[in-house]
Amino acid sequence: EIVLTQSPGTLSLSPGERATLSCRASQSLAGSYLMWYQQKPGQAPRLVIFGDSSRGPGIPDRFSGSGSGTDFTLNIYRLEPEDFAVYYCQQYGGSTGTTFGQGTKVEIK
Amino acid sequence: EVQLVESGGGLVQPGGSLRLSCVASGFTFSDPFMDWVRQAPGKGLEWVGRIRTKPHSYITDYAASVKGRFSISRDDSRNSLYLQMDSLKTEDTAVYYCARNWNHALDYWGQGTLVTVSS
Repeated sequence: EIVLTQSPGTLSLSPGERATLSCRASQSLAGSYLMWYQQKPGQAPRLVIFGDSSRGPGIPDRFSGSGSGTDFTLNIYRLEPEDFAVYYCQQYGGSTGTTFGQGTKVEIK
Repeated sequence: EVQLVESGGGLVQPGGSLRLSCVASGFTFSDPFMDWVRQAPGKGLEWVGRIRTKPHSYITDYAASVKGRFSISRDDSRNSLYLQMDSLKTEDTAVYYCARNWNHALDYWGQGTLVTVSS
């Protein structure tokens, strides 16, 4: 099973700042198989980044994904109040299953 | 508008069974794979399993933690996805989400249904 490790656990930032979230895989991933999700309290997760760093439905262009192999990054440029949430990375493992990272909380400083 | 609505959650005793349903609308239900994901109270996301489409023989995949106890099925004529959960354990307590799997990404999610396993 591929393990995804996210860092940091919590990111304390102010609105307008840039957030950089990391996701490291225990094995090399095919590039299109790493996704990012946003989850706010009491809500279902929402797809943020998928495939070749494409954005999910309704996601603004201040969200950007990059990476390959075992190291992936989600950048949120110019944080807006609605961006403060928990972010999860996810890898698609086909028949071997999908796994999620443990999450990074982006909180208001 | 894509919508996924789960139902069937509730309180069940350890060792018991429960069947969750997810009704879809706003897209051709038979086209995509469908996944179940759960989230224990205060914890992160855990993938439960997936069902493929008719051209892929409705093949299912499961997380090791539920394999042999949970079963996923779908009825494309009813736009419905199901999760049959047997031999439930206290550690299965979670909010269960159904999600549309579009090219490996879970692009739409339901609001979730809470399953509590407790005596």
